[in-house]
Amino acid sequence: GQNIDQPTEMTATEGAIVQINCTYQTSGFNGLFWYQQHAGEAPTFLSYNVLDGLEEKGRFSSFLSRSKGYSYLLLKELQMKDSASYLCAVDDYKLSFGAGTTVTVRA
Amino acid sequence: NAGVTQTPKFRILKIGQSMTLQCAQDMNHNYMYWYRQDPGMGLKLIYYSVGAGITDKGEVPNGYNVSRSTTEDFPLRLELAAPSQTSVYFCASSYGLASYNEQFFGPGTRLTVL
Repeated sequence: GQNIDQPTEMTATEGAIVQINCTYQTSGFNGLFWYQQHAGEAPTFLSYNVLDGLEEKGRFSSFLSRSKGYSYLLLKELQMKDSASYLCAVDDYKLSFGAGTTVTVRA
Repeated sequence: NAGVTQTPKFRILKIGQSMTLQCAQDMNHNYMYWYRQDPGMGLKLIYYSVGAGITDKGEVPNGYNVSRSTTEDFPLRLELAAPSQTSVYFCASSYGLASYNEQFFGPGTRLTVL
């Protein structure tokens, strides 16, 4: 079975940094995706990690430790438009999604 | 390119009614997926297809059927709607299997069964 855990909600101030953790226990693992989903909209791709370490893409970075079953998404220089749900998804040829972390950015 | 399109955007069904959710993609992707998303929950895979004529069950297939007669279209059929099927349904497509291949999602269909 697949067990993927993320915090339900996080709140941060504009310009700050927020780290969203994701832990997983899955029967298979090829890699880990992060998707962003604004309220009422479809998920959109943010990042994909297959090897241990940090992948940086502009203001967003994603980290993976396969041995620990752990990933995090780091959002830097937060903007109001970053208020959204962030979904962690384990890739085992099919995707298994966590419940998502709702991030609220306050002025 | 329109990407992944879904119709309808909203629908209200009575218990026991049937309907088909339409999904089409114009990116020539081989792989297509149907997910449902309940409030506060992650996306659950209903069915997927690896190419025309080939479909397989996902995590929550009961109460649903699919077909894939062309590369572009992947409709989802609800035969006897139940309140438990109230959800937001997302169709997605990708060039290859999940590995290294991001999935592109449609805008969703919001279904209420009363």
